[in-house]
Amino acid sequence: DVKVTQSSRYLVKRTGEKVFLECVQDMDHENMFWYRQDPGLGLRLIYFSYDVKMKEKGDIPEGYSVSREKKERFSLILESASTNQTSMYLCASSLNHRQGMEPLHFGNGTRLTVT
Amino acid sequence: KQEVTQIPAALSVPEGENLVLNCSFTDSAIYNLQWFRQDPGKGLTSLLLIQSSQREQTSGRLNASLDKSSGRSTLYIAASQPGDSATYLCAVWTTDSWGKLQFGAGTQVVVTP
Repeated sequence: DVKVTQSSRYLVKRTGEKVFLECVQDMDHENMFWYRQDPGLGLRLIYFSYDVKMKEKGDIPEGYSVSREKKERFSLILESASTNQTSMYLCASSLNHRQGMEPLHFGNGTRLTVT
Repeated sequence: KQEVTQIPAALSVPEGENLVLNCSFTDSAIYNLQWFRQDPGKGLTSLLLIQSSQREQTSGRLNASLDKSSGRSTLYIAASQPGDSATYLCAVWTTDSWGKLQFGAGTQVVVTP
């Protein structure tokens, strides 16, 4: 079974802090994604990556950056956390460079609270 | 822009009844459609993936159909159980938006014993 592991289930950070959310997958997947999920807004794509050191902006990249130095790891960085970034963050991965040909697998999520 | 709609937003059924969940999308130029399950406070679990060339997929009590021309997919869950209580989301890959899986808002299902 594919395993996508997010390093923290819950995080509480202060406004202005730099926050790192880590995601690791164990199936040699090329594609990795970061989403946030908010009530009433559903899932929104922040960033995705289809290869090491490659990144593409999603629908809501403002206030975030990402890093993919190794194929199995995709990090989401909040440079200066703000209260409107309080949310559930979900990491996902999929096999294959060609979009849509393989299912997307999600981690269990990180519930981030910024106070 | 692709829009994905799931109606109803919430559904409650007695145990044993069959569940029918609907998903509609506006742009039929899709690679595939995927159904997910989400338990409260957890991530999404992939249930079924239907490629654009397929009409249906089955896994155990789950069956998903796809009608690309009418922009619809239906997830059937036979003989529902309380453990099926969760939110079910559908998502589509559209051919002109690489990497951007478009999600519906989900249908929250409660199966009562």
